Amino acid sequence: EVQVVESGGGLVQPGGSLRISCAASGFTVTSYYISWVRQAPGKGLEWVSVFYRGGSTYFADSVQGRFSISIDNSKNTLYLQMNSLRTEDTAMYYCARENVQLGFFEYWGQGTLLTVSS
Amino acid sequence: QLMVTQSPSASASLGASVKLTCTLTSGHSNYVIAWHQQRPEKGPRFLMKVNSDGSHTKGDGIPDRFSGSSSGAERYLTISSLQSEDEADYYCQTWDTGIRVFGGGTKLTVL
Repeated sequence: EVQVVESGGGLVQPGGSLRISCAASGFTVTSYYISWVRQAPGKGLEWVSVFYRGGSTYFADSVQGRFSISIDNSKNTLYLQMNSLRTEDTAMYYCARENVQLGFFEYWGQGTLLTVSS
Repeated sequence: QLMVTQSPSASASLGASVKLTCTLTSGHSNYVIAWHQQRPEKGPRFLMKVNSDGSHTKGDGIPDRFSGSSSGAERYLTISSLQSEDEADYYCQTWDTGIRVFGGGTKLTVL
């Protein structure tokens, strides 16, 4: 069964950093495209970043230069490193595995909450 | 620039049908889109992808009451025999190389 499980959210002060995780089961993370999507309180879904199975990564303009992605193959886990955090980064962060051929999200996690506040 | 647009809200009565619309920007009318459902206080769930020719492929366990179609730059999600559990936010999503795009979502109220 395909599953992605996010963890690592929490409360961070503005300017701080945090790394959140997306642990995969039922598939190998390096064999699929995986995106991070966030949702600010009361708002819609916003795409944040995508990891391509060839190793390329892309980011939304709102996080470019502040966020990065890494992989731990031994744990089959994808990480989103978030630096220089701002209050507007406060959101539920979802990990989503894309269809093997096309860029739509087939499997979603339950999310992990990041709150940026002093 | 690739974008998708949705109406902010829709409503329909229990047992009736409703058709939600997602509109692609000019020059992108042949793009595939996906529909996702988000019930209150829950994470999103993939419903289906809809091709430009109107064919669609649903996710696992999605009821037959849900269907997709297309006309030009518009992609539709039709829900028939509405049930209370269909009250949710519905998002359309598309993509291109290095970018994924969401519509603003349609909040569906079942009366």
